[in-house]
Amino acid sequence: GEDVEQSLFLSVREGDSSVINCTYTDSSSTYLYWYKQEPGAGLQLLTYIFSNMDMKQDQRLTVLLNKKDKHLSLRIADTQTGDSAIYFCADGYNKLIFGAGTRLAVHP
Amino acid sequence: DTGVSQDPRHKITKRGQNVTFRCDPISEHNRLYWYRQTLGQGPEFLTYFQNEAQLEKSRLLSDRFSAERPKGSFSTLEIQRTEQGDSAMYLCASIPPGGRDGTDTQYFGPGTRLTVL
Repeated sequence: GEDVEQSLFLSVREGDSSVINCTYTDSSSTYLYWYKQEPGAGLQLLTYIFSNMDMKQDQRLTVLLNKKDKHLSLRIADTQTGDSAIYFCADGYNKLIFGAGTRLAVHP
Repeated sequence: DTGVSQDPRHKITKRGQNVTFRCDPISEHNRLYWYRQTLGQGPEFLTYFQNEAQLEKSRLLSDRFSAERPKGSFSTLEIQRTEQGDSAMYLCASIPPGGRDGTDTQYFGPGTRLTVL
């Protein structure tokens, strides 16, 4: 069945770049998404990428898509303490398939 | 947009009781989704509606679960005879007609956290 996998934890120093990786199995999705979840809260859409693109930049966020390897990454430049959260990648049409999430910890 | 709202935000109940959650999507959003998120996991799809029609249900949605969207606006999710394994965050999301910016981005509410004792 469809599956999305992510590494579970990432720790970075404030000001450094963070790179969160994701692999997926469903190659029919038109869009792939990155969501952010803070403790006890719902999911906040961060960005998305059209499946025909290989890169999208949105302020501090850069999304890279390698369709051949079914690999998606999210780079956060100049990571701040406010970026500490769980990040989910998701693909699918209608029913989104989420990874288990990557917990990003930002330390001084 | 005022955002997707869910009520209640927290619910504690005893095993065997029935519970009902409500979701109000963003105004004029015609597609509405329910997901369940357990601790340490990503959300899992439960069901979705287009207007008042329930178009797909996950195998996760046992016969103790029922969802409705009678007038194509708000939706309710009822769990009968709750079990401890039902403890989770229940998330609702909605999409406007045709998607925004041509995408099918789902906009999520804050969730209802259910604890079954």
